[in-house]
Amino acid sequence: EPEVTQTPSHQVTQMGQEVILRCVPISNHLYFYWYRQILGQKVEFLVSFYNNEISEKSEIFDDQFSVERPDGSNFTLKIRSTKLEDSAMYFCAISGITGELFFGEGSRLTVL
Amino acid sequence: AQSVAQPEDQVNVAEGNPLTVKCTYSVSGNPYLFWYVQYPNRGLQFLLKYITGDNLVKGSYGFEAEFNKSQTSFHLKKPSALVSDSALYFCAVRDDLQGTYKYIFGTGTRLKVLA
Repeated sequence: EPEVTQTPSHQVTQMGQEVILRCVPISNHLYFYWYRQILGQKVEFLVSFYNNEISEKSEIFDDQFSVERPDGSNFTLKIRSTKLEDSAMYFCAISGITGELFFGEGSRLTVL
Repeated sequence: AQSVAQPEDQVNVAEGNPLTVKCTYSVSGNPYLFWYVQYPNRGLQFLLKYITGDNLVKGSYGFEAEFNKSQTSFHLKKPSALVSDSALYFCAVRDDLQGTYKYIFGTGTRLKVLA
């Protein structure tokens, strides 16, 4: 049973369009993360979210990106105006009290 | 800054033979180290971690890892490889320096177990 559910599993969008990726944890967690993986390669940190605010973000996480926890359970990643290079797998993760990260199955984003 | 390095892009091993996937780390303070496995088109799955205690850590699917402070290494091992172990393996370190928990991943090592 996964700790985290992500939707959609795959989204195809046109360049310049807005995309929202969603993450639903099975139980309450304080720490949330978004990671990106391009073409099955390196897993890149985007942002961490703690206690309903961003705790840290990488250089990749520019003004085109935003995160929210709109209803106290869902955790979303928004890309305002997608670019071709945003095509990647996006993974949501939560950290458990024992210290490890639990990942969702990912959302594949294809920007045309 | 905390970092991990995985020096091998790919490791090939025959089924039944022991396998080792290498990881070295660079941290300030006590290291929190992790191994994850990723199968095609799937998320990363937690295998094992080292936080404190015994240097030999046992994890899922018969994997283990040895924490070596003097060599700053945390190599993943398995005594007898299975074809089903073929996957992408990531070493990770948790960076607590900024007062937040940030997990930094290595570049990954593709393990191919040959029948």
